[in-house]
Amino acid sequence: DQQVKQNSPSLSVQEGRISILNCDYTNSMFDYFLWYKKYPAEGPTFLISISSIKDKNEDGRFTVFLNKSAKHLSLHIVPSQPGDSAVYFCAALSSGANNLFFGTGTRLTVIP
Amino acid sequence: EAQVTQNPRYLITVTGKKLTVTCSQNMNHEYMSWYRQDPGLGLRQIYYSMNVEVTDKGDVPEGYKVSRKEKRNFPLILESPSPNQTSLYFCASRQGWETQYFGPGTRLLVL
Repeated sequence: DQQVKQNSPSLSVQEGRISILNCDYTNSMFDYFLWYKKYPAEGPTFLISISSIKDKNEDGRFTVFLNKSAKHLSLHIVPSQPGDSAVYFCAALSSGANNLFFGTGTRLTVIP
Repeated sequence: EAQVTQNPRYLITVTGKKLTVTCSQNMNHEYMSWYRQDPGLGLRQIYYSMNVEVTDKGDVPEGYKVSRKEKRNFPLILESPSPNQTSLYFCASRQGWETQYFGPGTRLLVL
């Protein structure tokens, strides 16, 4: 059973506009969330994270929002750039655990 | 340069023929993990290790073995591979979750 879900397999956005990637989770014990970015033929790389004690975390063009009551988080990229074209994975874990649960990924294409 | 290396990058084998995928990290990380990535399922953790000689099962450990005899190396062993183990495999090492580094991946095809 997929505990972390990314329901949009793909997203296309014009350069300069906002990209919004969504993620839902089912396990209420999850209290730490991460986003990874993956280019072809490479491993995922860490992008940004958020703890459940916050509802927003910002790092440059990347902002993650967490809605605990809805068990939903989203990644906003503003402005989107062609180099942002990649697969984005949402991941979640419970404090003290050693297992990270990943979503299925969303392929973002930023059109120049 | 901080990195996780995996070998081989591509492997085609036949059912039942034992194979090992090597993983090595140069960051002196205590934690290492193996994941597999499958279409529609994302990445799933196979095994992890918290330090030398300390390993534990992840989500999908069936059919796999690991060992951690040295801090830098964490090989993944398939004693008797089957077609359902055809997948893309990633090794990772970390101190904290934000500093989890993934290797480039090993694409395995079991015929």
